[in-house]
Amino acid sequence: EIVLTQSPGTLSLSPGERATLSCRASQRVNSNYLAWYQQKPGQAPRLLFCGASSRATAIPDRFSCSGSGTDFTLTISRLEPEDFAVYFCQQYANSPLTFGGGTKVEIK
Amino acid sequence: QVQLQESGPGLVKPSETLSLTCTVSGDSVSGYYWSWIRQPPGKGLEWIAYIYYRGDTNYNPSLKRRVTISVDTSKNQFSLKLNSVTAADTAVYYCARVAYDSSHYYYKFDYWGQGTLVTVSS
Repeated sequence: EIVLTQSPGTLSLSPGERATLSCRASQRVNSNYLAWYQQKPGQAPRLLFCGASSRATAIPDRFSCSGSGTDFTLTISRLEPEDFAVYFCQQYANSPLTFGGGTKVEIK
Repeated sequence: QVQLQESGPGLVKPSETLSLTCTVSGDSVSGYYWSWIRQPPGKGLEWIAYIYYRGDTNYNPSLKRRVTISVDTSKNQFSLKLNSVTAADTAVYYCARVAYDSSHYYYKFDYWGQGTLVTVSS
């Protein structure tokens, strides 16, 4: 089973600042099959489409996904008020599918 | 727009069976994989299982002994049964669709139900 470790646990930032969220895998995630979700209180997670192939339902340009192998990053270039939420990563390269523990991005 | 809606009892007694149904609207269950995911209050997400519309299944080994996932294409629904529940099974249960793009299935989840809280308590 691939264990995903997200850091930091909480990120306290102000609107307009840059957020950098990390997701580290216990083993290589083949084909970079690593997804990110945003979850707001009382809501289901929302898949953040980072790939160009899914631009029809894409997320705002201020979100970017990067990384390969075991280290992945979600970057929000300039935080908007609606971006304050919990973010989870998920690997879908191997079964069982696994999620990271989440990073909470809160208003400083 | 695809919509998913979970339904089932919100309270289950310990040792009994948790049963949930997900009704899909806006698209057919045919052609896709469908999944259950849960989230204990204040905690992270745990994938439970997924099923192809033709009936092929895949379970999380941590729950496999107690879980059954099924699909009913005539009703455009799929279901979850989790038996011998304990307080540790208290969670919000989500149904979700596996993403499909360019003739390929990617086992991430692009559509989710709103979730239903199931509490295990006597």
